[in-house]
Amino acid sequence: IVLTQSPGTLSVSPGETATLSCRASQRLNLNYLAWYQQKPGQAPKLLIYSASRRATGVPDRFSGTGSGTDFTLSISTLEPEDSAIYFCHQYNDAPDTFGQGTRLDIK
Amino acid sequence: QVELVQSGAEVKRPGASVTVSCKSSGFTFTAYYVHWLRQAPGQGLQWMGRIQSYGGGPHYAQEFQGRLNLTRDLSTTTVYMELTGLTSDDTAVYFCARGRVAAAGTIRSYFDNWGQGTRVTVSA
Repeated sequence: IVLTQSPGTLSVSPGETATLSCRASQRLNLNYLAWYQQKPGQAPKLLIYSASRRATGVPDRFSGTGSGTDFTLSISTLEPEDSAIYFCHQYNDAPDTFGQGTRLDIK
Repeated sequence: QVELVQSGAEVKRPGASVTVSCKSSGFTFTAYYVHWLRQAPGQGLQWMGRIQSYGGGPHYAQEFQGRLNLTRDLSTTTVYMELTGLTSDDTAVYFCARGRVAAAGTIRSYFDNWGQGTRVTVSA
């Protein structure tokens, strides 16, 4: 399953909302889709799993929606530390696959 | 707290093998799968394989069949990733990650804790 993320790069001002998209080439019948945040030189950090469930300790500014083939990660009230690359990951069907990432810049 | 600590960076010649370790702590080692993924420079993540901490054999992505070997040591709660026949295409940062199964009775997992990554450079 190919995951296509858009946009490739997103520049948003602090306090605004960012909307990131992840589209799957095949329907994820169980909606097993996760979102991760990765900062330079660091390991990815789990944000969202099962499309909409927030991981432990993740602020409620981060929310995941969608089903089937179209999924969205929304980040509200953006803060400078939200600058990172965001990846989606489908674990619905083997083999697991990842999107190429969206770079989020907080300007 | 949950921790996965990986071994340090490696530089290898083409054709060589590399072994990366991933030591777990802060959780019941035998209750989880450990997965390995890699990230080539400027690229996304690629899933390589997984191993059950409590028994059973490893499972590898088709691309790595025949040259990837995952093993575990219960006494030290450490998982090892050996990749043989290295080429420049294997230059990447390698991560271990703890898998959380999506539901009872399935092995489909997301990754809730990650090692810090190990940079492997393959160069003549």
